[in-house]
Amino acid sequence: GQQLNQSPQSMFIQEGEDVSMNCTSSSIFNTWLWYKQDPGEGPVLLIALYKAGELTSNGRLTAQFGITRKDSFLNISASIPSDVGIYFCAGRLRVQGAQKLVFGQGTRLTINP
Amino acid sequence: DGGITQSPKYLFRKEGQNVTLSCEQNLNHDAMYWYRQDPGQGLRLIYYSQIVNDFQKGDIAEGYSVSREKKESFPLTVTSAQKNPTAFYLCASSMGDRSPYGNRPQHFGDGTRLSIL
Repeated sequence: GQQLNQSPQSMFIQEGEDVSMNCTSSSIFNTWLWYKQDPGEGPVLLIALYKAGELTSNGRLTAQFGITRKDSFLNISASIPSDVGIYFCAGRLRVQGAQKLVFGQGTRLTINP
Repeated sequence: DGGITQSPKYLFRKEGQNVTLSCEQNLNHDAMYWYRQDPGQGLRLIYYSQIVNDFQKGDIAEGYSVSREKKESFPLTVTSAQKNPTAFYLCASSMGDRSPYGNRPQHFGDGTRLSIL
């Protein structure tokens, strides 16, 4: 089945540092999504990418849809304490006539003040 | 405000008992989804529904059942056949494949944490 490999699994950084995480797959996706999840809550959409090569920013967050359509990265610049949480990538592809969302395992971000 | 409401926030199940998790959305979305999240893992799809009165099995449907009698509602029943039900359950919705906006992202509720007594 389709799988997404998300890395790193966890990050421990100092406040103010930049963060980079990525997802790769052997499958081709038509959409890439990045979500953030706080403890005990549902994932919240951060950025959606719809075209290969697309580079999109949302404040301090920047994400890119890889040219091969098999990967995506998310960068966070100048991290702040509220960036703590788990970040998930998700790729969408069509399987048996229906759109299917495949999730990465998540990157847990911890920030030392 | 438009959104997805899951209830209850916490649920406890006894041995041999069926329990039902509620998911309601007022976003006028056609498609709704149920995911299971285990600690340190990504989300796995249980069931999804693209339209009222129709639903499809996801990757881990065994031990679960759903219904879609109304556009706004997509309840999930965790049956006694599900031997390892302890998890965080997330409901999501989107405009769905049959919409001109079929590639729009899924939006999630705040989840229900199910535990075994």
